[in-house]
Amino acid sequence: KQEVTQIPAALSVPEGENLVLNCSFTDSAIYNLQWFRQDPGKGLTSLLLIQSSQREQTSGRLNASLDKSSGRSTLYIAASQPGDSATYLCAVRAQGGSEKLVFGKGTKLTVNP
Amino acid sequence: EAQVTQNPRYLITVTGKKLTVTCSQNMNHEYMSWYRQDPGLGLRQIYYSMNVEVTDKGDVPEGYKVSRKEKRNFPLILESPSPNQTSLYFCASSYLGTGMYDEQFFGPGTRLTVL
Repeated sequence: KQEVTQIPAALSVPEGENLVLNCSFTDSAIYNLQWFRQDPGKGLTSLLLIQSSQREQTSGRLNASLDKSSGRSTLYIAASQPGDSATYLCAVRAQGGSEKLVFGKGTKLTVNP
Repeated sequence: EAQVTQNPRYLITVTGKKLTVTCSQNMNHEYMSWYRQDPGLGLRQIYYSMNVEVTDKGDVPEGYKVSRKEKRNFPLILESPSPNQTSLYFCASSYLGTGMYDEQFFGPGTRLTVL
């Protein structure tokens, strides 16, 4: 059974700092991995999608990497801003069966001015 | 604009009163899915559909029904809601392909409270 773990559960940093969020998954049989952002009580905003054959994806100040063999992904946020404060969710699309996304429980990020 | 819409966005109801949460996408996606999000449990899949008239159970299907009569719509039906179905519900959709799988797009969420 696929399980996704995100560490740390919460992170507080000063504005301007570069930071890394971690995601690990137990089964390497995935189609892709997606990083989302969720503001309190709101929906999910897709940030980056990495296909299983890819190693990384970049969008603006965000860079996500994928090491499928070791079951790890990282989300790197450069020059963090208070507007980056949110919960970041990692999800893998499992192969076979329901094709569902299996989510981690998220990292709650607070960027302090 | 490509999007997944859900209605209603907020709903307070009472135990046993049947309700339907609608979901619609305008991207011609084959795949649609419902998730619920609960504190400490994260997001879990309720039901999914690979195409019209093709639906199947996810991880937590008890107490829910779905239908897929048209490609764009995937309503979630609670025939006799109970308080343990109080949750934040998300509908999602994506293309289905071979090899490369596109991202899942999520609706804005429906916050349901069952008293």
